Amino acid sequence: EMQLVESGGGLVQPGGSLRLSCAASGFTFSDHYMDWVRQAPGKGLEWVGRTRNKANSYTTEYAASVKGRFTISRDGAENSLYLQMNSLKTEDTAVYYCARVSGIFYYMDVWGKGTTVTVSS
Amino acid sequence: DIQMTQSPSSLSASVGDRVTITCRASQGIRNSLAWFQQKPGKAPKSLIYAASSLQSGVPSKFSGSGSGTDFTLTISGLQPEDFATYYCQQYDSYPLTFGGGTKVEIK
Repeated sequence: EMQLVESGGGLVQPGGSLRLSCAASGFTFSDHYMDWVRQAPGKGLEWVGRTRNKANSYTTEYAASVKGRFTISRDGAENSLYLQMNSLKTEDTAVYYCARVSGIFYYMDVWGKGTTVTVSS
Repeated sequence: DIQMTQSPSSLSASVGDRVTITCRASQGIRNSLAWFQQKPGKAPKSLIYAASSLQSGVPSKFSGSGSGTDFTLTISGLQPEDFATYYCQQYDSYPLTFGGGTKVEIK
């Protein structure tokens, strides 16, 4: 069974840092692009960024709102995806989801349950 | 950036109804459109990809259509478990963008 489990969320002060993890299982992790998507309280979904697969050298794309502050990486040996978040702002408060990207049509086909990040003093 | 506009933002419907949600892209996205269902406190769930292809395991009461800039999601025979918020999302170009969501409520 394909599964994604996020962890690492919590309360952090503005300007602080946090690293989220997403443990993947049930599929060949290196074959797939992976996305991070977030949802602020009571709001809609916002794409955060993407890492491509091994065949595409794990290159990344980011939303303008996080570019230069957030970094997506992955550990193939651990089948894990990461989101390093620096210089956090109150507007980064959200539930963060990791999602697998389908290998053919490049849409998000499998989602984790999410982890909550609260940025507050 | 490509803006995705969903309408309506909310609707009330009865069990057994057929409902249609529309999604419009600010520029052509071919058929690179997905639909997701989200229930309160839960992660989104994939329903439709490539505008009209049904995700494995999703019941056939869900259907999608459209290409270019105009898309629709139709739910036939609405059941209690279908009351949720639905989002469209384009994956034709970066940054990937979502519509604002349509909340389907019980009348």
